[in-house]
This record gives sequence, C-alpha cells and structure tokens, in this order.
Amino acid sequence: AQSVTQLGSHVSVSEGALVLLRCNYSSSVPPYLFWYVQYPNQGLQLLLKYTSAATLVKGINGFEAEFKKSETSFHLTKPSAHMSDAAEYFCAVSDRGTSYDKVIFGPGTSLSVIP
Amino acid sequence: DTAVSQTPKYLVTQMGNDKSIKCEQNLGHDTMYWYKQDSKKFLKIMFSYNNKELIINETVPNRFSPKSPDKAHLNLHINSLELGDSAVYFCASSRNGQPNEKLFFGSGTQLSVL
Repeated sequence: AQSVTQLGSHVSVSEGALVLLRCNYSSSVPPYLFWYVQYPNQGLQLLLKYTSAATLVKGINGFEAEFKKSETSFHLTKPSAHMSDAAEYFCAVSDRGTSYDKVIFGPGTSLSVIP
Repeated sequence: DTAVSQTPKYLVTQMGNDKSIKCEQNLGHDTMYWYKQDSKKFLKIMFSYNNKELIINETVPNRFSPKSPDKAHLNLHINSLELGDSAVYFCASSRNGQPNEKLFFGSGTQLSVL
C-alpha cells in the first residue's frame, strides 16, 4: 500500500530564508506526487504536481519540488520565505495503476515564518 | 464564484443527533469526494463519486451516508453523531477522478459534537 511520510511536523524559518519541506513515499512504481497547501480555516490548494515529465516541477508562489526516484523523495523548496507562506503543507501520492484516484495524504508539515 | 462550496461552515450539535453537510461544485467536474481531517490535521478520504456512482467507500461507519443527486452535488448525512465524529469535513472535486488530476477543495465544515 502507498504511504507518505513528511519529516518534521513543524518547521520554522526566518523571512527570506530557504524553505525545505521533506516528503518521502513508499512505492515500487513511482506514483503521481503532489504538494498541497492549507491556509488557516481554508481548504487545500494545489501547489504543484509530478506526473512523469520533468523531475523538477515548478509550482505557484515560487515553490518547486524535485522528484528523486533513487531516494523515493519529493521535497518542496522555496528560495526565500515570505510571511504569507505560513501554512500547513501536505505531500500526497496516488497510484498510477488505478482507474480512479485514491489520493493518500501525508501527515502535513506546519510552516512558521519568523519576521 | 466559489468553485466548491459546502454548507454549513460550522456545525455544533449534541451526541445522538442526525446532521447533513451539503456540497456543490460549479466546475463541471465528474468526480466528487468527502475527506475527513482530524484534530492533528491528518486527512483521510471517506467517499468518492463519479457521475453519481459510488467509486470509493473507505472503512467508514455506516452512520455516514453520502448522496449524490447529480454530478454537481454530493451531500453527507451522518446519523447518531458521536464525540469521535468531531472533525473538519472537506468536500472536493476533480475533473474525471483520474489519479493524476488536481483536487479542488471546499473550505471545510467544522463539526463539533458535544
């Protein structure tokens, strides 16, 4: 069965510093991979997704993620954190072999940005 | 226009009551979902419907019954509410339910069972 782990339930960075949020998946076949963001009292929004094209995926708000098959990882980065980036971030996977998706979400990482 | 809208936003009720949450999407999508987010922010799929047909039915108590009158609507009815049902419930939709499709989420319904 698919599973997703996110190392670090809470990450704090200073404004302007690099943001790195970690995600690892367990699957013998590379799945589809997603990062979603949830701002307080809102639903989740897609930041970016990996489907099988370029391994470096660019998303909205300056975020990007790199798929590394050898490490079964899909870490999310942003060169310079803004205060508005403070939110909950979820890595998610879905199985390529299914007809209908069953997206499995990781436990989430809460990002705090310190002025 | 809100793409995926769900009502109510907050729902406070007593144990044993029956309640419903409504969801509508105006994106023309074929597939709709219900997710449950617990107090630790863990998000888990409950149900999915594709063109009014039940596709995914996770291990959810049968007190939870989804209903899809048409592909733009997916409602969730909960009977005999229990304390453990307290959570945030999210409705979502996707274009066709394929595994590489983006999910569009509503803003959530925070259910508190007293």
